[in-house]
Amino acid sequence: KNQVEQSPQSLIILEGKNCTLQCNYTVSPFSNLRWYKQDTGRGPVSLTIMTFSENTKSNGRYTATLDADTKQSSLHITASQLSDSASYICVVSAPWNYGGSQGNLIFGKGTKLSVKP
Amino acid sequence: DSGVTQTPKHLITATGQRVTLRCSPRSGDLSVYWYQQSLDQGLQFLIQYYNGEERAKGNILERFSAQQFPDLHSELNLSSLELGDSALYFCASSTSGRNAGELFFGEGSRLTVL
Repeated sequence: KNQVEQSPQSLIILEGKNCTLQCNYTVSPFSNLRWYKQDTGRGPVSLTIMTFSENTKSNGRYTATLDADTKQSSLHITASQLSDSASYICVVSAPWNYGGSQGNLIFGKGTKLSVKP
Repeated sequence: DSGVTQTPKHLITATGQRVTLRCSPRSGDLSVYWYQQSLDQGLQFLIQYYNGEERAKGNILERFSAQQFPDLHSELNLSSLELGDSALYFCASSTSGRNAGELFFGEGSRLTVL
């Protein structure tokens, strides 16, 4: 079972609407949780990084929340734009000696968001 | 621009061949990560180097190898290429080797094996 699960796998919304993407994780302990935006064929770009003590972090129209007790995070996009069409990847950072085949950065498979005019 | 430079951007080669992908991290970043992303798949961790030393290893095939040089640039060598090796290969850098700080990704090298 993947230690970082994202939902939905894909999502289509109309321009101007809001949406929320979910990330559930089982990685423990963890250092921080990140959200990245990846345009098709491009490298991922960081949106937010939150430590376990942070509940909310915003970056423009992007707002990430974190509940370390339930091991859930969400990324809320407000007033979506066509340029928001991308994959959004949740990444949980484990301690450096966490080990495993993913190193200490555990990636979710991403949510593919399509914003239609 | 993330400051991470990857070359070449595109590469087309035949099965059985060997290629080398190059990554120059951001100035001052000591840690380099390599990831593979096949079509419509998530990012798969290959290997991490910190200041010239291997720090962590993912499910990297034995046909693949990497190294980080004294000037901190890194190379990923892929040999005996198979059709399934066709993918985007991303390099990322960060300042930290342990609890990874901000990761900055390059634009990737797109490998096509025919």
